[in-house]
Amino acid sequence: EDKVVQSPLSLVVHEGDTVTLNCSYEVTNFRSLLWYKQEKKAPTFLFMLTSSGIEKKSGRLSSILDKKELFSILNITATQTGDSAIYLCAVIDSGGSNYKLTFGKGTLLTVNP
Amino acid sequence: EPEVTQTPSHQVTQMGQEVILRCVPISNHLYFYWYRQILGQKVEFLVSFYNNEISEKSEIFDDQFSVERPDGSNFTLKIRSTKLEDSAMYFCASSYVGEAFFGQGTRLTVV
Repeated sequence: EDKVVQSPLSLVVHEGDTVTLNCSYEVTNFRSLLWYKQEKKAPTFLFMLTSSGIEKKSGRLSSILDKKELFSILNITATQTGDSAIYLCAVIDSGGSNYKLTFGKGTLLTVNP
Repeated sequence: EPEVTQTPSHQVTQMGQEVILRCVPISNHLYFYWYRQILGQKVEFLVSFYNNEISEKSEIFDDQFSVERPDGSNFTLKIRSTKLEDSAMYFCASSYVGEAFFGQGTRLTVV
């Protein structure tokens, strides 16, 4: 069965800190890895990574994929209180006929002022 | 910006009753999904829908569940006879290819 493991499960930092969130995966036929941010309700899309070693960046957030070691990291620099959320990692298995997501349990990030 | 919309935002129902959760996916998307998240647990896949039929379903998606796309815009999830353990947040999502965009969810409470 496909598995996505995120670490740490929770993290508390101060504003201005840099954080690194981890996601490792085991899937039969890997297609893509996605990061989402979940605040009150819906997961909102951050990044989709398909190729190894290519960093995706959006403002203070960046992410990279290592397909050889089967993991991805999400970096957030100069954290702000608004970054407080659950960060979800999910993978798409190319063996299916759709783009079904298998999620990890998430990392709860709390940024204190 | 296009978004996935879900109604209602919160539904309380008695055990054994039928509920229909409604979703309007993003208009040019091809794939439609339902996921659920029990409080404190991870987001779980229920079903995917493509080309007017179910393309994949999980073990959770048993005979109590059904999905429909009755017209060109709506996508519904029906739970025929709700159980206490169906209480969860239900998310609709859609994708063109690749990344899925999620609605705000319907919190279903079965009492």
